[in-house]
Amino acid sequence: AQSVAQPEDQVNVAEGNPLTVKCTYSVSGNPYLFWYVQYPNRGLQFLLKYITGDNLVKGSYGFEAEFNKSQTSFHLKKPSALVSDSALYFCAVRSGYSTLTFGKGTMLLVSP
Amino acid sequence: NAGVTQTPKFQVLKTGQSMTLQCAQDMNHNSMYWYRQDPGMGLRLIYYSASEGTTDKGEVPNGYNVSRLNKREFSLRLESAAPSQTSVYFCASILQGDSGNTIYFGEGSWLTVV
Repeated sequence: AQSVAQPEDQVNVAEGNPLTVKCTYSVSGNPYLFWYVQYPNRGLQFLLKYITGDNLVKGSYGFEAEFNKSQTSFHLKKPSALVSDSALYFCAVRSGYSTLTFGKGTMLLVSP
Repeated sequence: NAGVTQTPKFQVLKTGQSMTLQCAQDMNHNSMYWYRQDPGMGLRLIYYSASEGTTDKGEVPNGYNVSRLNKREFSLRLESAAPSQTSVYFCASILQGDSGNTIYFGEGSWLTVV
């Protein structure tokens, strides 16, 4: 069975500082990894995904994520956080044509 | 382009009442999903439909039924609502055929069962 772990319920960072939201996964076969963001009272919005190729994936709003196969990780990063980045972030994984499995989510709070 | 549309946005039900959540997508996707989101639990799959005419149980199907009415529409029915079904429900769709394709979500339906 596939699974995703987001070890931090909440991440706090000051505006302008770099941010990292952690994600590790477990899957049989080649993983397809996704990050979604959810703003209050809204649906999930796609940020970025890793399918194959370059381990550093760039996505929307200046976010990027690094795929590390040996550590089975796919951490979300941004060089300089904005207050408007404050939201709930979900990591998700699938393999082959399996359904998408989500982590429990990490709340990112960026302080001014 | 509306994407994935869910109705209603908000609903309050009494225990034992029934209701149907509607979902439609206009992206010509073949697979559709219903998830529920609860605090600290992430998103859990209730039911999915890999293609028109098929439905399968997900992680938490008890208390729910689904209907894939056509390629565009996938409804979720609560036959006898219980307080444990108080949650936020999300419909999603994907163009199956490429494992790397992105799943797209609706804006959610907030359901409270009292």
